[in-house]
Amino acid sequence: DAKTTQPPSMDCAEGRAANLPCNHSTISGNEYVYWYRQIHSQGPQYIIHGLKNNETNEMASLIITEDRKSSTLILPHATLRDTAVYYCIVRAYTDKLIFGTGTRLQVFP
Amino acid sequence: DAMVIQNPRYQVTQFGKPVTLSCSQTLNHNVMYWYQQKSSQAPKLLFHYYDKDFNNEADTPDNFQSRRPNTSFCFLDIRSPGLGDAAMYLCATSLRGHSYNEQFFGPGTRLTVL
Repeated sequence: DAKTTQPPSMDCAEGRAANLPCNHSTISGNEYVYWYRQIHSQGPQYIIHGLKNNETNEMASLIITEDRKSSTLILPHATLRDTAVYYCIVRAYTDKLIFGTGTRLQVFP
Repeated sequence: DAMVIQNPRYQVTQFGKPVTLSCSQTLNHNVMYWYQQKSSQAPKLLFHYYDKDFNNEADTPDNFQSRRPNTSFCFLDIRSPGLGDAAMYLCATSLRGHSYNEQFFGPGTRLTVL
């Protein structure tokens, strides 16, 4: 079973920051937080991952709370192409990906 | 560009008629996965190969089989497709031993069962 809880849907205006929350209250010490997204009719795409420090790459930022029980994926300037289902996944790095229901992000003009 | 390729992108088969979906990769990754994704649902892992070692998920029906003849190719065989097997089938690869084990997904094959 998925170990995360995400809101089913969110909206965001184009050009604004999209902040996608994820709860993972049962996360273990060796488990990472991964984010993938799936644009309609495409395969999932890796976005970012982290263990306990905040992370940033060219796509997004990941903020993990100090107790590691929740995190937020931030898309700093959302575009229409960011409309997708975003999956937050908790796993040890050799484990399988178990997808939860994800958050459907709709970016509107 | 290195990538994961799935053929065909769309496959139509008849109820009970065996079908094979293929996946190839140019990433030289040692792990290949097959996922099933039904409409409006999340991807669900069916099985994976770590090199030649096959790892089946406990709830994957016997109707689903897989072959990995070499590092680059992996096949999904559905021996007797039922209407409930209509779905998107996703292939993914990863490099075990890599520091974060990112999975790279192909575009998927959408299977229709008539």
